[in-house]
Amino acid sequence: SHELTQPPSVSVSPGQTASITCSGDRLRDRYISWYQQKAGQSPALVIYQDSKRPSGIPERFSGSNSGNTATLTISGTQAMDEADYYCQAWDSTTVFGGGTKLTVL
Amino acid sequence: QITLKESGPTLVRPTQTLTLTCTLSGFSLSNTGVGVGWIRQPPGKALEWLALIYWDDDKRYSPSLNSRLTVAKDTSKNQVVLIMTDMDPVDTATYYCAHRMAGTFTFDYWGQGSLVTVSS
Repeated sequence: SHELTQPPSVSVSPGQTASITCSGDRLRDRYISWYQQKAGQSPALVIYQDSKRPSGIPERFSGSNSGNTATLTISGTQAMDEADYYCQAWDSTTVFGGGTKLTVL
Repeated sequence: QITLKESGPTLVRPTQTLTLTCTLSGFSLSNTGVGVGWIRQPPGKALEWLALIYWDDDKRYSPSLNSRLTVAKDTSKNQVVLIMTDMDPVDTATYYCAHRMAGTFTFDYWGQGSLVTVSS
């Protein structure tokens, strides 16, 4: 089981906004990272410390963390964004969410 | 540029001990603030954090697997080793090592992964 709960799947039309949630206890007190994993590839960091983007990550990726829910938002979703997305929470230790499959229809 | 590469057996028998090596490039575990983590992913399933080792040899382990895991570093070879005892078929997974972003538990660079199958 995972301490962090993500919806198993999210669907979005190209150009629309996709929102992927991550719920868990005390999330507001923990930092959240988000990873993108395309089929057959290693995970790649897209958001860290709740809302920061690593260099090279498009501006359409954004993150927020409030209360017990963190959210990854992809604005103007593109076909290349189709992937599995995992949240990660950490303070003195860390845990990953169960993952969300994003489908761009 | 930072790269990591996992190596080790592809097949392990039940009850055996797994030893995986992560070879680091572009950074050194002897430098202050550096950390390397291990994460695994069973086929078709989610990521699971296993362990983390810091430059000062401090270590952290997943509470659920703590009794079976050991992580160690060899600074001279710039390698990190993960040892997991008493392997079971449910431990079949791709095992990743990853570079820890300084001051965080965030993993900003990942290896390609090493698929380990546990079967008799």
